[in-house]
Formats: sequence, structure tokens, C-alpha cells
Amino acid sequence: GNSVTQMEGPVTLSEEAFLTINCTYTATGYPSLFWYVQYPGEGLQLLLKATKADDKGSNKGFEATYRKETTSFHLEKGSVQVSDSAVYFCALRRRDDKIIFGKGTRLHILP
Amino acid sequence: DAGVTQSPTHLIKTRGQHVTLRCSPISGHKSVSWYQQVLGQGPQFIFQYYEKEERGRGNFPDRFSARQFPNYSSELNVNALLLGDSALYLCASSLGSARNNEQFFGPGTRLTVL
Repeated sequence: GNSVTQMEGPVTLSEEAFLTINCTYTATGYPSLFWYVQYPGEGLQLLLKATKADDKGSNKGFEATYRKETTSFHLEKGSVQVSDSAVYFCALRRRDDKIIFGKGTRLHILP
Repeated sequence: DAGVTQSPTHLIKTRGQHVTLRCSPISGHKSVSWYQQVLGQGPQFIFQYYEKEERGRGNFPDRFSARQFPNYSSELNVNALLLGDSALYLCASSLGSARNNEQFFGPGTRLTVL
């Protein structure tokens, strides 16, 4: 079946630190992959996406590369800010358009 | 343009009661999906509707039902509420049912069952 596994949080970093949040998936075929972000009290926002192998999604300084050989889509940012504090969800979209989410990783950035 | 809107924002019910949650998609979007997000977990797919027809259903009991209206707004109904139904219910809309259509999420309705 289809599933997404991401590193458990919370992850606590100092401002300007390097961020990696690991995400691996299992799926039939080649799903599209996503990172969503949920700020406190808000709904989900699409952060970035990749639709095929070796694609790199990027937005707001965040990047993730679709790695078919390792079935991974790790989220990275070179220098985090306090405003990046949120919950991050890795997700895949199945052939039938349904989105499967990971459990989420809470990120705390300390000033 | 307004994004996806959901009502109410918060709701408190007791076990055994019934609840109706509402969602208005982005103007021009014809597809609506519903997700349940239990505290500390990722959202889980409940239903998808496109052009007023059910296009998919997740692994939820028959107590959960939904419908889509001619103006593409949608309702999610849950009967015989259980404590475990307490969650944030998210609605997402997209242009259509094509694979590359991005889903835009609303702020959610937080349901508490006592």
C-alpha cells in the first residue's frame, strides 16, 4: 500500500541553523510528492512539490528532491528563521488523486 | 479572491449527537475533499466529491457521509458521534479531478466530542 514516514519531532533548532526533516515513502507507481506546512491555528499550506523522479521542489528557501532510488523526499533549508516554526507534513498523491500524509514533524526555532 | 472557507470554526457536541460541517470551495473549483486530522497525526482522507458525485471514500464508517451541492459547496455529516471523532476536519478544493490539480485547504473545523 501507500504510506509516508517522516521523522518524529519536535525538532528544536537555533535561528540560522541548517534544517533537515527526513521523509520516506512506499507507493505503487510514481506518485507526486509534497511538503505541506501548518502554522499554529491555521490550515495546511502547500510548501513545495515534485511530480517525477529527480525533480527538485523549492519555495521560501526550502528544498526537497524526489529520490526514486531511496524512495525519499527530505526537506532542507540552509538557514531557518523563527517564523519557520510550524508543523511540516510530507505527503504523496496516489493515482486516484487521494493524498496520503505523514504524521507531521513539529519544528521549533529559537531566537 | 477568497480561499476555502469552512464553518463553524469550533464545535462542541456530546456522544451520540449528530454534526454537520460546511465547506465553500474557491470560486471555480469543482472538486472538494474532506480530511480528518486527529491531534498529533497527519490528515486522513474521508471523501472526495467532483461535480456533485462521490469520487472516493476513505476507511471511515458509514456514520460519516457527505454531499456536494450545485454551487460546489459541500457538507460533511457525522452521526452517532463518538469521543474518537474529536478532531480537526479539513476541507480542500481543487479545479477538477485531474492528477496535477493542486488542492487548497481551508482552516478547518475543530470538533470536540464530550
